[in-house]
Amino acid sequence: DAGVIQSPRHEVTEMGQEVTLRCKPISGHDYLFWYRQTMMRGLELLIYFNNNVPIDDSGMPEDRFSAKMPNASFSTLKIQPSEPRDSAVYFCASSPAGTGTLFEQFFGPGTRLTVL
Amino acid sequence: KQEVTQIPAALSVPEGENLVLNCSFTDSAIYNLQWFRQDPGKGLTSLLLIQSSQREQTSGRLNASLDKSSGRSTLYIAASQPGDSATYLCAVLDSSYKLIFGSGTRLLVRP
Repeated sequence: DAGVIQSPRHEVTEMGQEVTLRCKPISGHDYLFWYRQTMMRGLELLIYFNNNVPIDDSGMPEDRFSAKMPNASFSTLKIQPSEPRDSAVYFCASSPAGTGTLFEQFFGPGTRLTVL
Repeated sequence: KQEVTQIPAALSVPEGENLVLNCSFTDSAIYNLQWFRQDPGKGLTSLLLIQSSQREQTSGRLNASLDKSSGRSTLYIAASQPGDSATYLCAVLDSSYKLIFGSGTRLLVRP
C-alpha cells in the first residue's frame, strides 16, 4: 500500500486566495483525520471523519476552514479566504475501524502551506 | 481536558550514550500512547504504540514504558547514533479516538 497520500506537498498562495488540500487515505481505513502543525501550537487535530461522516470538528479554527469527505478514498480541507496566520504544515492521517487500545493512526507526508 | 507535556524540550548528547525522553499526561483515561519520530520538514513516523493495559514495548534499540496511573511514559534509546537525531513526539489516544500530542523533544546526537 502506498500509505496516506497528500497533495500538494507545498503550496504558496497570497492572502485572500482559496486553498484546497487533498488527502487519499489508506484503502480500507474507516477514519480520517486532519491535523495542523505550527511552531507555536504544535500538532492540533482539526477535524475527523468516520465512514465519511464528520464526527468532531471542534478543532476547526473558524468558518474559513471547511472539510469534506465525499467518498471513502478522498477528503479535502479548504481555506477560504486564506490568511498569513494559516501558514502551517497540514497532515492527514487515517485509521482502520476502531479497535480500542490497538487503534493506530497512519500519517501522510503533509502539505506545507505558506500564505503571503 | 487532556494535556501532554514532554521534557526536555531539547537534548544534545554524544554518540553512544543511552538516553531517556519523558512524557506526561493529565488524564489517565486513554486507549494507548504512541511515540513518533519527525525529521525536519518531514512527516511523522510511528515508533512504538503501547496499549493502555501494557507496561512497555520494545523495538530494536528503543524501549517505551507506560505508567497509566501516574500519567507518565518514557522512551529509552540505547547506544544513540547521529541518525537518531530528530524530534520525538509523544501522543495519547483519548476515549474519543483523538490523538493529543506533546510539543516534542528535539534530539541531537553528536558524532
